[in-house]
Amino acid sequence: KQEVTQIPAALSVPEGENLVLNCSFTDSAIYNLQWFRQDPGKGLTSLLLIQSSQREQTSGRLNASLDKSSGRSTLYIAASQPGDSATYLCAALNAGGTSYGKLTFGQGTILTVHP
Amino acid sequence: DGGITQSPKYLFRKEGQNVTLSCEQNLNHDAMYWYRQDPGQGLRLIYYSQIVNDFQKGDIAEGYSVSREKKESFPLTVTSAQKNPTAFYLCASSNWQGMDNEQFFGPGTRLTVL
Repeated sequence: KQEVTQIPAALSVPEGENLVLNCSFTDSAIYNLQWFRQDPGKGLTSLLLIQSSQREQTSGRLNASLDKSSGRSTLYIAASQPGDSATYLCAALNAGGTSYGKLTFGQGTILTVHP
Repeated sequence: DGGITQSPKYLFRKEGQNVTLSCEQNLNHDAMYWYRQDPGQGLRLIYYSQIVNDFQKGDIAEGYSVSREKKESFPLTVTSAQKNPTAFYLCASSNWQGMDNEQFFGPGTRLTVL
């Protein structure tokens, strides 16, 4: 059964820092990996999707990488801003087993960027 | 304006009552999903539907029921059999296309049992 782990659970940084959020998954049979942002009391906003055949995706100050063989993905946020404060979730779309076609979520990293 | 809408935003239920949460999408997506989110836990899949008039149980389907009579609508009923229904409920939709299966989420409904 797929398991997704995010490290760290929480992160507090000063404004302007570059930072890395980590996501690991146990089963490499995935179609893609998605990164989401969730503000308190809100739904999830899709940030980046990396297909299993891709190595990375970029959107503005965000860059996500995928190493399927090692079961890892990272989300890099450049020049962090207070508005980046939120919970960041990664999710793997499973391509096999009993979880076929389903997303398995990590528990998230709570990011606080202080001025 | 394309997107996913959920209603109501807040819902209060008395013990023993069934309640229905609404989810509508105008993205023309084939697949729709219901998740439950509890503090300190990741999202857990309740039910999903790949096509109209068909749906499958997710990881925590007990005490819940769904229907998919229209492509754009996927309501979730929380029955009195659900022992601990207080949670944040999220609906999502996607096109069922392998590597391009990108899920988009609604704003959520917070259910509280009184």
